[in-house]
Amino acid sequence: DAGVIQSPRHEVTEMGQEVTLRCKPISGHDYLFWYRQTMMRGLELLIYFNNNVPIDDSGMPEDRFSAKMPNASFSTLKIQPSEPRDSAVYFCASRSGQGQFTGELFFGEGSRLTVL
Amino acid sequence: QKEVEQNSGPLSVPEGAIASLNCTYSDRVSQSFFWYRQYSGKSPELIMSIYSNGDKEDGRFTAQLNKASQYVSLLIRDSQPSDSATYLCAGLSSGSARQLTFGSGTQLTVLP
Repeated sequence: DAGVIQSPRHEVTEMGQEVTLRCKPISGHDYLFWYRQTMMRGLELLIYFNNNVPIDDSGMPEDRFSAKMPNASFSTLKIQPSEPRDSAVYFCASRSGQGQFTGELFFGEGSRLTVL
Repeated sequence: QKEVEQNSGPLSVPEGAIASLNCTYSDRVSQSFFWYRQYSGKSPELIMSIYSNGDKEDGRFTAQLNKASQYVSLLIRDSQPSDSATYLCAGLSSGSARQLTFGSGTQLTVLP
């Protein structure tokens, strides 16, 4: 089975430009998470969805960040306008909501964003 | 206090030695804990979970949980160069929002 698929893998853009990151979760997983990872702050939860509905977006740093999940197989994280401090690796992860949570999140390979 | 805190390291140990990775947590995190391993340039993967006070062993890995001290640790026996990675401690948030909160990670290097 395919794992979590993220695109693009690498993105280099200039300050002020719009950035859109994409994620396809594992089929059948009803939770989807967006994390951001930097050396300074580690792995931070930005937002998560359950059955396509945003549940907690308290980790979204500013109004410049927005996320959508129009259907069970696709989510986007958008940054507009982007700033150099947004440079990080953005991970999408998914898990099943069936049964007891085992603690296992399935991560995509990440999107490395560099804002110049 | 951050919900989950780790010694940021980095930590270097010689091959064959025991590597000890530590993590503390706040009351905002429930008492289910997980260790993820992340190789450089890769995504995190779950390697251990622990729910009860005491030790849990899986091969060369032992997770330890001390609820009274709010302390979690991971021991890696007979460390190998292939164990070189960043190790992330994660706790399950309390309340209805059941999500993982990660520590900042400890970078481990096992020297041949």
